[in-house]
Amino acid sequence: GAVVSQHPSWVICKSGTSVKIECRSLDFQATTMFWYRQFPKQSLMLMATSNEGSKATYEQGVEKDKFLINHASLTLSTLTVTSAHPEDSSFYICSARVDTNSPLHFGNGTRLTVT
Amino acid sequence: QKEVEQDPGPLSVPEGAIVSLNCTYSNSAFQYFMWYRQYSRKGPELLMYTYSSGNKEDGRFTAQVDKSSKYISLFIRDSQPSDSATYLCAISQSAGNMLTFGGGTRLMVKP
Repeated sequence: GAVVSQHPSWVICKSGTSVKIECRSLDFQATTMFWYRQFPKQSLMLMATSNEGSKATYEQGVEKDKFLINHASLTLSTLTVTSAHPEDSSFYICSARVDTNSPLHFGNGTRLTVT
Repeated sequence: QKEVEQDPGPLSVPEGAIVSLNCTYSNSAFQYFMWYRQYSRKGPELLMYTYSSGNKEDGRFTAQVDKSSKYISLFIRDSQPSDSATYLCAISQSAGNMLTFGGGTRLMVKP
């Protein structure tokens, strides 16, 4: 149980375009999902907390207008990287929990390359 | 000082060895402790989680927490080449809330 699915697993886009990444909880409902970014050989850095039916909470230094998060249902959160630039190239990973007393489970990540 | 410190490695061991991975943390408010395994180009996979001092065992893996020393460990017995991955410790004030990750230790188990 507690499977988190992320799509796509990798994407290449041109500079200036937007990319949408989907995160789904497959066998449970998730009122809260978390979005992380990971650069090569570095640990995960929390970008934002996605709350179903309300606005996301962004970590300091993360541009909310650039990284648009929508959590429209209890099983789906999306991250849209708008006007992508090469420095946005990274590994984006979402996570979700079954309930507040359960640990987080992670998706398999999306590798974004902006050319 | 980082909230969670973890030796980055790489740690190279022969197959069958006992592996010890460690993290230290600075904030005594942290109550939940997790270990994740991350293979290259994949998301982290939850291995162990605990919220109390002491040991928790699951197969070849043992998680150890010493809250008085703010020190957590993951032991892997009879290590296998398939254990080669990056191991991340993560701590939180509650199980499902925001995690603070260590930097990860890269482990290589040689056949």
